[in-house]
Amino acid sequence: ETGVTQTPRHLVMGMTNKKSLKCEQHLGHNAMYWYKQSAKKPLELMFVYNFKEQTENNSVPSRFSPECPNSSHLFLHLHTLQPEDSALYLCASSQRTSDTDTQYFGPGTRLTVL
Amino acid sequence: GQNIDQPTEMTATEGAIVQINCTYQTSGFNGLFWYQQHAGEAPTFLSYNVLDGLEEKGRFSSFLSRSKGYSYLLLKELQMKDSASYLCAVRDSNYQLIWGAGTKLIIKP
Repeated sequence: ETGVTQTPRHLVMGMTNKKSLKCEQHLGHNAMYWYKQSAKKPLELMFVYNFKEQTENNSVPSRFSPECPNSSHLFLHLHTLQPEDSALYLCASSQRTSDTDTQYFGPGTRLTVL
Repeated sequence: GQNIDQPTEMTATEGAIVQINCTYQTSGFNGLFWYQQHAGEAPTFLSYNVLDGLEEKGRFSSFLSRSKGYSYLLLKELQMKDSASYLCAVRDSNYQLIWGAGTKLIIKP
């Protein structure tokens, strides 16, 4: 059971394809995040949006392009990816004005780049 | 640099108790989180510590010592469903979460 949904759950794409990952949160939160999770490595923060404004871009290559049309939806547009971009991409949301600002995660999109 | 250390893998027996340690070196401290992640699933929030001491939630407890840069997650009465990875994360002075690589916990009957 989760208040954060992600689609698709699995994606296989070639290096020349363009695809988009979608995230939706039903928790009324005001911040949303994209993370990359590779095997046996710590979660890597990619992008942060506070109140629909991007506040963090942790040196992510331009082949990843985020979009946040409103506080409930977040997209990650992908183009000309590399095989090393294969990973689990996780979306999270939080309430930045709360005491703990706990992040709640979606189930992720397992991306394979051929 | 900032660093979170936790064991890569641990094995325990059903019904027993296990303690997963996490040590951290971060620029500032604004809270420590533990998450559970089953294979192929979302990380789910377990606990939050910002003050020294023990926080208990049913079979799970989390301890924090800020002076030692140390936390542990204690799991009691282990069940097979507790087999998962356990992630430790620290919020630094820039309010960013710094993550450990996770501890894979294997429960044997």
